[in-house]
Amino acid sequence: RKEVEQDPGPFNVPEGATVAFNCTYSNSASQSFFWYRQDCRKEPKLLMSVYSSGNEDGRFTAQLNRASQYISLLIRDSKLSDSATYLCVVIGSARQLTFGSGTQLTVLP
Amino acid sequence: GAGVSQSPSNKVTEKGKDVELRCDPISGHTALYWYRQSLGQGLEFLIYFQGNSAPDKSGLPSDRFSAERTGGSVSTLTIQRTQQEDSAVYLCASSLGWGRDGYTFGSGTRLTVV
Repeated sequence: RKEVEQDPGPFNVPEGATVAFNCTYSNSASQSFFWYRQDCRKEPKLLMSVYSSGNEDGRFTAQLNRASQYISLLIRDSKLSDSATYLCVVIGSARQLTFGSGTQLTVLP
Repeated sequence: GAGVSQSPSNKVTEKGKDVELRCDPISGHTALYWYRQSLGQGLEFLIYFQGNSAPDKSGLPSDRFSAERTGGSVSTLTIQRTQQEDSAVYLCASSLGWGRDGYTFGSGTRLTVV
């Protein structure tokens, strides 16, 4: 089993739609969680951190469920510019940084 | 510097040659990671530095790969006797401490072995 698993998609949604991605992790000792965004042929960029209490940044909401070992990202009112690959990232107790394989999102006009 | 700087941005080399890739992290960042990403694939962990030491080298794919970091700053990733399967984008990321606030990536070195 992979340490961090994501549904690779692709997710093709119309503009204005709400879309949700999930990511599961296997190491219960994992300490920090992030969502990164990667555009085609570009480096990953931090989108947001994920906390147990949940956090929201504009149209984006991230949640962490430690009991079930998954994190989620919700994007509301999708824009064309949201089209990218979304990477789930987990930091383990030994400080290793593990990436999911990414979920590809395409927002259609 | 303002961001993580990697050089060269592109490198084309002949099979069997050695290459050296450089990463200059954000000033003051103690943690530094190397990843590689093949076309259309996810990020593959290579090695992690905390300061000048590398607690985790488990991702280096073979003994042709080595990395060092000196002065807690610049890191170099060396690939000896390059093979075609080494072709990928090599990404470096750095963070303050152990990355609780996330990691910043450089724009990568695109290595092509011909």
